[in-house]
Amino acid sequence: QITLKESGPSLVKPTQTLTLTCTFSGLSLTTRGVGVGWIRQPPGKALEWLAIVYWDDSKRYSTSLESRLTITKDTSKNQVVLTMTDMGPVDTATYYCAHRDYDSHPDRAVDHWGPGSLVTVSS
Amino acid sequence: IQLTQSPSSLSASVGDRVTITCRASQGISSYLAWYQQKPGKAPKLLIYAASTLQSGVPSRFSGSGSGTEFTLTINSLQPDDFATYHCQQYHSYPWTFGQGTKVEI
Repeated sequence: QITLKESGPSLVKPTQTLTLTCTFSGLSLTTRGVGVGWIRQPPGKALEWLAIVYWDDSKRYSTSLESRLTITKDTSKNQVVLTMTDMGPVDTATYYCAHRDYDSHPDRAVDHWGPGSLVTVSS
Repeated sequence: IQLTQSPSSLSASVGDRVTITCRASQGISSYLAWYQQKPGKAPKLLIYAASTLQSGVPSRFSGSGSGTEFTLTINSLQPDDFATYHCQQYHSYPWTFGQGTKVEI
């Protein structure tokens, strides 16, 4: 059974850097085709895809946020970390991590999501 | 690739048939997924590859389309179906989502 859970600060100040950790079980980021990504959702607004890292350490980022984002994996801890620099009030959102396996399911995108972590940006 | 969902919200009754449309700004073949989201919860995958039902999802949900126009249909709406529905394209990066459709009683 695949489970993911996000952790990190619930409140950050403007201009600070946000670091979020996704801890997962039931999957391995050493398995071909497996990826873990991040999606966010401002209150009452649409989902926005941020980034994904795959088993082979390939990474993809949102074009509009790429300069502020870094995604890394730690296979020994079963974790994926997302950092976002220069946080502002517009970055207030629930941040989700999610799983993808394009080798087992080549026609599917993300299928398992964490419960989400609300991050508020305020001074 | 921009995704435009319509309508942004709708009111329906139990037993109704509901159709939601998602239009892509360019062709995405069948690389489209539909998610259901309830308040305070993470999205749940309903349909992928435009028309394939995720395991465990009731058969009253169906998806169709390819290229630039897609639909999600809910036959015989049930009380548990009142939620927000999102489409997502994964044809090319950056992945994108529609703005969501809220289905209300």
